[in-house]
Amino acid sequence: EVQLLDSGGGLVQPGGSLRLSCAASGFSFSNTGMSWVRQAPGKGLEWVAGIYGSSGAFGTYYADSVKGRLTISRDNPKNTLYLQMSSLRVEDTAVYYCAKALVGALEAWGQGALVTVSS
Amino acid sequence: ELVLTQSPGTLSLSPGERATLSCRASQSLSNNYLAWYQQKSGQAPRLLIYAVSSRATDISDRFSGSGSGTDFTLTISRLEPEDFAVYYCQHYGGSPRYTFGQGTKLEVK
Repeated sequence: EVQLLDSGGGLVQPGGSLRLSCAASGFSFSNTGMSWVRQAPGKGLEWVAGIYGSSGAFGTYYADSVKGRLTISRDNPKNTLYLQMSSLRVEDTAVYYCAKALVGALEAWGQGALVTVSS
Repeated sequence: ELVLTQSPGTLSLSPGERATLSCRASQSLSNNYLAWYQQKSGQAPRLLIYAVSSRATDISDRFSGSGSGTDFTLTISRLEPEDFAVYYCQHYGGSPRYTFGQGTKLEVK
């Protein structure tokens, strides 16, 4: 069974940093593309970052709204995905989900980690 | 930049009825990577349909997807009480890589 467990959310001041983690199990993690998707309170879904699996040489890509401030990475031996967030803004407040890619879609999702940026 | 527009914003129907949700793209999609998700309050999204018309694992055959070019549809043949939720369409491959529609809320009439 595919499982994704998000952690690391919390309250941070504007300009601060935070790192989210996503522990994966039940599939071949290193061979699988992964993404982070966020959802601001009461709003829709916004994709923010993705990372290829081994076939894509673990390349990374980002939404313009977060480029230069959020960094996606992976530790394949630990089956863990990360999202390093810096220079956080109030508008980055959201639930952040990690998700497993499948044929142009996001097949499985973590339960989400709430990030609140506020002074 | 690709924009996906979902309609209607809210759909009010009764259990047992048929639901038809629309997703229109601002430009013709260059591939068939169009997916649909269901999200219930307080929960993560769940993949229903990928590649326009393929059902994800363990998804009821009451859910079906169709379309091409710029117009895509999610149909729920006979609404069950657990189907009332928010539905999102999504495309992969442009810039940004994953684009979501704004969502359609399916509510009990």
